[in-house]
Amino acid sequence: GAVVSQHPSRVICKSGTSVKIECRSLDFQATTMFWYRQFPKQSLMLMATSNEGSKATYEQGVEKDKFLINHASLTLSTLTVTSAHPEDSSFYICSARATTGPVYGYTFGSGTRLTVV
Amino acid sequence: AQSVSQHNHHVILSEAASLELGCNYSYGGTVNLFWYVQYPGQHLQLLLKYFSGDPLVKGIKGFEAEFIKSKFSFNLRKPSVQWSDTAEYFCAVSPKAAGNKLTFGGGTRVLVKP
Repeated sequence: GAVVSQHPSRVICKSGTSVKIECRSLDFQATTMFWYRQFPKQSLMLMATSNEGSKATYEQGVEKDKFLINHASLTLSTLTVTSAHPEDSSFYICSARATTGPVYGYTFGSGTRLTVV
Repeated sequence: AQSVSQHNHHVILSEAASLELGCNYSYGGTVNLFWYVQYPGQHLQLLLKYFSGDPLVKGIKGFEAEFIKSKFSFNLRKPSVQWSDTAEYFCAVSPKAAGNKLTFGGGTRVLVKP
């Protein structure tokens, strides 16, 4: 089945620094990847849609200069939280969408718990 | 824009009880529908999905869901739950139109007591 690898699973960083999170589709090509944020005991909120070779589409209220998304290849998207602050602490989840083949649909990464101190 | 509503935030059951989780969505066009499960400490896993055809969909682990178009609903059911079904369940919707953004409901936390 489809597998999406997300790294790191946990990261602690100092306020003001930047953190990069990687999302890789391991056995399929994903022209579209999605980045979500999940607050404790809440649902997943879509932050942005990442399209290979083009600029990401951000949801309303999400700062594109703060959450930089790069989708350089059909199997890799990265989310960089720039100048992180404690309020950015959250659980970030990526999802890759396969559009053909037996793995059609959305597959989720295992998430990254970011703690900004 | 689409929205998804899950009626129950928390459900507590005993083993062997039947489970039904409600999910309603609002969107003017045709949609794909999903139920995901998140076990404690694990990532989201797909339970089942509906794209077209038979509105009664069978998924993994004995779960099924029924799409009722007239009610904009996609309720999840399991006739007899097990302790291992303790998890959080998310209903999700994506329009069939270009973009296919997945919108999640608020989730239902299910606790099955042994």
